[in-house]
Amino acid sequence: DTAVSQTPKYLVTQMGNDKSIKCEQNLGHDTMYWYKQDSKKFLKIMFSYNNKELIINETVPNRFSPKSPDKAHLNLHINSLELGDSAVYFCASSQYLFRYGTVYEAFFGQGTRLTVV
Amino acid sequence: AQTVTQSQPEMSVQEAETVTLSCTYDTSESDYYLFWYKQPPSRQMILVIRQEAYKQQNATENRFSVNFQKAAKSFSLKISDSQLGDAAMYFCAFYGGSQGNLIFGKGTKLSVKP
Repeated sequence: DTAVSQTPKYLVTQMGNDKSIKCEQNLGHDTMYWYKQDSKKFLKIMFSYNNKELIINETVPNRFSPKSPDKAHLNLHINSLELGDSAVYFCASSQYLFRYGTVYEAFFGQGTRLTVV
Repeated sequence: AQTVTQSQPEMSVQEAETVTLSCTYDTSESDYYLFWYKQPPSRQMILVIRQEAYKQQNATENRFSVNFQKAAKSFSLKISDSQLGDAAMYFCAFYGGSQGNLIFGKGTKLSVKP
């Protein structure tokens, strides 16, 4: 069983289109994240949700909108795609937000390689 | 705000030898976690080792160990008896703060020569 799954794994689309990436975790975790990995492999957090509530919203264009219908899902919708949006997008989950004395680990999906042409 | 710095963009090691990857971080938090993640060409992010800041003992996982220097805010990864399968990008990461932000360094690309 895949712990954190993203679909699709690859996405090629034209500029100006709207696309969604889906993420599901079956670990019973409360917290989910979206990260963007650029061509230089730099991983930058975009959003985090805890119990369906938005916790972190980094400086991301408002063309990017996360949607969390329930704790197990955090989808990423992107409007009006631009060339600069080409990257690998990772979904991740963890059991909690930070709690002293607990064992924290983030589990990552396999990534979605988005190519905008 | 927390920052994580990996000063070695690339490193190379001979098979069976030992290599150390460097990481420094900056934070005002007293409670936090530090991690090393491995990303092979398959792109999957794999947790290598974890260190809780409140633990003084350095974490070890088989051939992987860390040198955690809390006062110096340093967290290096030592890989012993390097294997070809260790070739990958290695990311140092920090987790802490009330928002629980997991932030990454820019990574070190490790090559293993046969």
